[in-house]
Amino acid sequence: SQTIHQWPATLVQPVGSPLSLECTVEGTSNPNLYWYRQAAGRGLQLLFYSVGIGQISSEVPQNLSASRPQDRQFILSSKKLLLSDSGFYLCAWSGTHGQFIEAFFGQGTRLTVV
Amino acid sequence: QQQVKQSPQSLIVQKGGISIINCAYENTAFDYFPWYQQFPGKGPALLIAIRPDVSEKKEGRFTISFNKSAKQFSLHIMDSQPGDSATYFCAASPYYNTDKLIFGTGTRLQVFP
Repeated sequence: SQTIHQWPATLVQPVGSPLSLECTVEGTSNPNLYWYRQAAGRGLQLLFYSVGIGQISSEVPQNLSASRPQDRQFILSSKKLLLSDSGFYLCAWSGTHGQFIEAFFGQGTRLTVV
Repeated sequence: QQQVKQSPQSLIVQKGGISIINCAYENTAFDYFPWYQQFPGKGPALLIAIRPDVSEKKEGRFTISFNKSAKQFSLHIMDSQPGDSATYFCAASPYYNTDKLIFGTGTRLQVFP
């Protein structure tokens, strides 16, 4: 069965510090991978998605970047965090569910920038 | 045009009542409409989904109603239970990019006993 791992679960970082959040998927090959940010009252905002190794699409201009060094590994990074980067970050992969496409989410990382 | 508008932002329902969450879209290319359920501290999980070839889909106490002409769809939770308390997201994706879900802003549902 497929599983998605995301870590750490919580993170408190000072403004200006770097960030690295890692996500790995098991049990499937060549998945489409996504990073979402969830802010209160703003729902799920798609930040990046990747259809293959080294292929990254950015949905919104921001202080963050993403990389996919391996087929089932997706990394969210920042060189210098801003206060506005605080939020709940979710990694996801998509797969077929019968006739539908289903997004499978990780447990999320609660990032607080202080 | 890529947005999915969801309402209400929060909803309080008594146990046994009906919870109704509404979503609206503008992009006529959308042809897949799932609902996700998220419990606190967890990632969202697929609850139920519909394609526009049907106007209604029911799974247990959960029903999606779809109005293609009005470009609206809604989630109905019958006999709401305290265990249904969660945040619900509607979503949509276009036929030309079914991997790219556009999510609504979420509805926090609280069901009181």
